[in-house]
Amino acid sequence: GAGVSQSPRYKVAKRGQDVALRCDPISGHVSLFWYQQALGQGPEFLTYFQNEAQLDKSGLPSDRFFAERPEGSVSTLKIQRTQQEDSAVYLCASAVTTNSPLHFGNGTRLTVT
Amino acid sequence: AQTVTQSQPEMSVQEAETVTLSCTYDTSESDYYLFWYKQPPSRQMILVIRQEAYKQQNATENRFSVNFQKAAKSFSLKISDSQLGDAAMYFCAYIPPFNAGNNRKLIWGLGTSLAVNP
Repeated sequence: GAGVSQSPRYKVAKRGQDVALRCDPISGHVSLFWYQQALGQGPEFLTYFQNEAQLDKSGLPSDRFFAERPEGSVSTLKIQRTQQEDSAVYLCASAVTTNSPLHFGNGTRLTVT
Repeated sequence: AQTVTQSQPEMSVQEAETVTLSCTYDTSESDYYLFWYKQPPSRQMILVIRQEAYKQQNATENRFSVNFQKAAKSFSLKISDSQLGDAAMYFCAYIPPFNAGNNRKLIWGLGTSLAVNP
């Protein structure tokens, strides 16, 4: 596709449910990032992939958060046993190389009730 | 630690006029990248302009230009001939140079909400 695609656009989950957020990066982009953006804040780094390798997951807030990119293209961010504080917009971004500008998707707005 | 500061939470401009959004940052690195991203209500982060620290010439993209002052660690964005579609949150971001062990963590300011009045 022409840009980074994220799905679903909106997700409402009851506290305790598991959710999976999908990111389709631009074809051929090596780098993929996940960010969490709270209302009125800038994005906060969660994790980074170079191809299928997860090189940094230091931003994941707890062990309930898990990300994968098994074939080096599509990535999934999974949140287990969701809590209200997980409510945020989750942004995915990809880049051609590590020194290229990031291209962002539209994000997934997660609301945990 | 590297930080990015945007001191203007909100700005407004009349359509067709010029507005400048400020950004300062703190780093001990000499080579790095700076970005301005725009985030409209659609939530998609859109790259507006990029500046490499080793370049003295200010970056320009159509109606968008920056005033990059490396010694002062200042990176302001000027929007000329403002249009209604420019209304959005604008984020200033910094990234250190890539080297072994570095993973491209963008460091973001808190954003400036720009309103464009018709």
